[in-house]
Amino acid sequence: DIVMTQSPLSLPVTPGEPASISCRSSQSLLHSNGNNYLDWYLQKPGQSPQFLIYLGSHRALGVPDRFSGSGSGTDFTLKISRVEAEDVGIYYCMQALQTPITFGQGTRLEIK
Amino acid sequence: VQLQESGPGLVKPSQTLSLICSVSGGSITSSGYYWSWIRQHPGKGLEWIGNIYYTGRTSYNPSLKSRVSISVDTAKDQFSLKLSSVTAADTAVYYCARDRTLGDIPYGMDVWGQGTTVTVSS
Repeated sequence: DIVMTQSPLSLPVTPGEPASISCRSSQSLLHSNGNNYLDWYLQKPGQSPQFLIYLGSHRALGVPDRFSGSGSGTDFTLKISRVEAEDVGIYYCMQALQTPITFGQGTRLEIK
Repeated sequence: VQLQESGPGLVKPSQTLSLICSVSGGSITSSGYYWSWIRQHPGKGLEWIGNIYYTGRTSYNPSLKSRVSISVDTAKDQFSLKLSSVTAADTAVYYCARDRTLGDIPYGMDVWGQGTTVTVSS
């Protein structure tokens, strides 16, 4: 299985400040077609996960442009340019290159 | 499109857990979508259980493969999860999700159900 490792596990952020979450995979997620098979999801408190980013850097429909994804191969980053109170929750990266699909352990973003 | 999980909230050890995910606002036979089950143990992260295409093609997590079965009912726009020989370790919130895939390129799990809590206990 591909192991996904996120850091940090906890991320306190002041509103208006940027935030960055790292995700590393045990194998390259770069497909021969040039796409990185890496998604990002946010699970807000008491809710089901919601879709943020696909193929490493493409924002899902309706996701604010303060969210951006980058990276390739085994190293990926989710950045929030200016954190808002509604961004609190647990962020997960997920690899879709091979089954079983696997998730990172999650990064809990909280407001200072 | 909306997804809604349903099924017993309490299952006895050694029995079979059975859940249904109902798809509304769209058809389960729409091309380019796989239909997935994911679970979350209490206070833990996400675990992919498996998925199914409307044709019946399935893929399972090897860690659960001997106990899991996912099926689809296209007439009812539903897909189902069965997990046999459950133990307390199967206590979790179970989510269904739509997994968009076009030309074998995965475009993400764009719709999730609200989740249903299943407790395994006698």
